[in-house]
Amino acid sequence: DVKVTQSSRYLVKRTGEKVFLECVQDMDHENMFWYRQDPGLGLRLIYFSYDVKMKEKGDIPEGYSVSREKKERFSLILESASTNQTSMYLCASSLERGVTEAFFGQGTRLTVV
Amino acid sequence: RKEVEQDPGPFNVPEGATVAFNCTYSNSASQSFFWYRQDCRKEPKLLMSVYSSGNEDGRFTAQLNRASQYISLLIRDSKLSDSATYLCVVLDTGRRALTFGSGTRLQVQP
Repeated sequence: DVKVTQSSRYLVKRTGEKVFLECVQDMDHENMFWYRQDPGLGLRLIYFSYDVKMKEKGDIPEGYSVSREKKERFSLILESASTNQTSMYLCASSLERGVTEAFFGQGTRLTVV
Repeated sequence: RKEVEQDPGPFNVPEGATVAFNCTYSNSASQSFFWYRQDCRKEPKLLMSVYSSGNEDGRFTAQLNRASQYISLLIRDSKLSDSATYLCVVLDTGRRALTFGSGTRLQVQP
């Protein structure tokens, strides 16, 4: 089974802190994605990556950055956390560029106070 | 206008009922379509892909109408375990990333 693991289920951070969300997949997938999910807005794409050391902006990249130093790991960074970044963050991976199926991690519920 | 639009529901139906969800998408160049299921406090998981010819998987039938940019999901003989949020998903072929609708919540009642 494909496994996508996010480092934390729940996280509470203070405004202005730098926050790292880690995601690891164990199936040698090329593509990795970060989404955030908010009530009524669904999943929105923050950043994605097709390969090591490459990244592409999604629909809402402002206030975020990413890092992909190894194929299996994709990190989301909140440079200076703000209360409007309180959300559920979901990491996903898929095998090919056709994205036939995306596998999600269990999500990180981030609260910024 | 959202790229993928769904009726948020909730749809409250009795066990055994047939229920249909609809979804519209705005990008006519989209080429791949999916339905994902998300249980409460869980991650989304692929339910089925949607093909132009329509496809069926047990009690679930998905249809695609490219001319109208419309996707549907039909669930027959609803079970309590079908209660979940159903997400309509479109592959953005330009950037090869999935775009999600905000989901339709289904509650099947005994």
